[in-house]
Amino acid sequence: GDSVTQMEGPVTLSEEAFLTINCTYTATGYPSLFWYVQYPGEGLQLLLKATKADDKGSNKGFEATYRKETTSFHLEKGSVQVSDSAVYFCALPAGGYNKLIFGAGTRLAVHP
Amino acid sequence: KAGVTQTPRYLIKTRGQQVTLSCSPISGHRSVSWYQQTPGQGLQFLFEYFSETQRNKGNFPGRFSGRQFSNSRSEMNVSTLELGDSALYLCASSIAGSQGADTQYFGPGTRLTVL
Repeated sequence: GDSVTQMEGPVTLSEEAFLTINCTYTATGYPSLFWYVQYPGEGLQLLLKATKADDKGSNKGFEATYRKETTSFHLEKGSVQVSDSAVYFCALPAGGYNKLIFGAGTRLAVHP
Repeated sequence: KAGVTQTPRYLIKTRGQQVTLSCSPISGHRSVSWYQQTPGQGLQFLFEYFSETQRNKGNFPGRFSGRQFSNSRSEMNVSTLELGDSALYLCASSIAGSQGADTQYFGPGTRLTVL
């Protein structure tokens, strides 16, 4: 069945460091791919998305490219800030109407 | 435009009780989905409603149920609460609810604690 695998956290970085969070997926066809972010005590916020192969989603300095050859959708940011500390989830739609499958989440901690 | 709202934000119940959670979607959105988030199981899909009809359902027992009203607002109900039902319950809305590409927007969640 369809699935999403994320790198385990936590990821701990210093401010202004480069961030990569790996996400690979197994899916039938070429579904849209999403990154959501969850700040402490809050719900999920859509960070970015890509709807077809080779698309690059971007938002707030974060980027992710839909790579069908490697079935990956890695999240990157060139210079992280303390305010980026959160849990990041990779997700894809699978199993019918509006059912999202999520990765386990990767916790990011950024220190000054 | 206001985002997805969920009430209440926090709930404490005891085993055996039942609980009702409410979700108001973004104006114009007709699809509402519900998810359960726990440290052990992560984010799991409960069910989805569109135009007052349940179109999709996850792998949860019948104690978990929901409904949607004509104004697209949705409620979910959990009966005979168990300790394992303690979780963050998230509601998400989308415009039309197609099978693939619709973007879902999430509310802040309701934190349910079962004692």
